Amino acid sequence: QKEVEQDPGPLSVPEGAIVSLNCTYSNSAFQYFMWYRQYSRKGPELLMYTYSSGNKEDGRFTAQVDKSSKYISLFIRDSQPSDSATYLCAMRNTGNQFYFGTGTSLTVIP
Amino acid sequence: KAGVTQTPRYLIKTRGQQVTLSCSPISGHRSVSWYQQTPGQGLQFLFEYFSETQRNKGNFPGRFSGRQFSNSRSEMNVSTLELGDSALYLCASSLRPGGDEQYFGPGTRLTVT
Repeated sequence: QKEVEQDPGPLSVPEGAIVSLNCTYSNSAFQYFMWYRQYSRKGPELLMYTYSSGNKEDGRFTAQVDKSSKYISLFIRDSQPSDSATYLCAMRNTGNQFYFGTGTSLTVIP
Repeated sequence: KAGVTQTPRYLIKTRGQQVTLSCSPISGHRSVSWYQQTPGQGLQFLFEYFSETQRNKGNFPGRFSGRQFSNSRSEMNVSTLELGDSALYLCASSLRPGGDEQYFGPGTRLTVT
């Protein structure tokens, strides 16, 4: 079993839709949670990070962490065609090692 | 502030050869991590360097090695290349090990034939 599981999609939504991206993990030592966006032929770009359970909002993006269920989500409101990319969840353990999901491919159709 | 730069961007090698990839972190960042990204496995951690010392290492064979220089620039080397080493190799920099924010470079696309 992988440390971090992420549905690869692909996910296709109409412009303006709310998008929900999810990851599950198995290691309780993960304490720091991140979401990255990766456009084709580019490196990942950090979108959001959080330490604690609960919600963190930044513009159209909301990151949600539920440590008791070992489940994290990224919500994108009012999705735009420019949001079309691969979204990667990532986690860091107490040993400062990072683990990434395999990514979910998102296409927002105009 | 300039971002993370990686050279070369693309590389084609044959099996058995060796390759060296270079990464220049963001100015002031002293920690550099390397990752391998493939469609099937996603991003996998190779190793992390801080102050010229390897701080963490992932589960890769000894053919994969790296080093960091006093100016924080880092290189990774892969010897005796195999077809399965074809991947996008990404470098990320942060202020300190396991730093709150890692910033990735554009990657080096390595193709082994």
